[in-house]
Amino acid sequence: EPEVTQTPSHQVTQMGQEVILRCVPISNHLYFYWYRQILGQKVEFLVSFYNNEISEKSEIFDDQFSVERPDGSNFTLKIRSTKLEDSAMYFCASSELTEFNEQFFGPGTRLTVL
Amino acid sequence: EDQVTQSPEALRLQEGESSSLNCSYTVSGLRGLFWYRQDPGKGPEFLFTLYSAGEEKEKERLKATLTKKESFLHITAPKPEDSATYLCAVRTNSGNTPLVFGKGTRLSVIA
Repeated sequence: EPEVTQTPSHQVTQMGQEVILRCVPISNHLYFYWYRQILGQKVEFLVSFYNNEISEKSEIFDDQFSVERPDGSNFTLKIRSTKLEDSAMYFCASSELTEFNEQFFGPGTRLTVL
Repeated sequence: EDQVTQSPEALRLQEGESSSLNCSYTVSGLRGLFWYRQDPGKGPEFLFTLYSAGEEKEKERLKATLTKKESFLHITAPKPEDSATYLCAVRTNSGNTPLVFGKGTRLSVIA
């Protein structure tokens, strides 16, 4: 069964460093998303991406964040200068482009900023 | 502002003891309500999509229902492996908009 994959599973970084989180969405899906979940809190939307551009983003997704689809399979989230409060689980999701479509989530990357 | 509220926050059941989880929502225009299961340290696993009031979906011991203001996830004769956090999420008017999640209900099923 096709699934969304994410690497790495756990990333530890120092405050102020740049990190890149990687995702491989399901191959025939056209919409991609990043969400985050701070420990013990709800899953929060960051950004959606379609046709090689951002289609929507939340207030959380400020200038420190960027997304890219560098090739036909990968989808990345970059955090330019990490802060302590960026520590969270980051989930990638993808969905087919139909009018009503479920989003399928990857296993997540746990980001720890020290 | 779109809001999704789940209750109870936590539920402890004996194996075989059926119960229901609630998800109430206040949104500008519902374009889908989704149930996910999340195990600790893992990503949400898709369970059901509901689109209109009166709709029901079933999968094994789980049944999801939808009204105009809330959704229920009924768990019949649960087993310990059903222990997880169950998340409700809604998508609103603008087609492929992001999901708005509730905080989830943490279910523990004791053998």
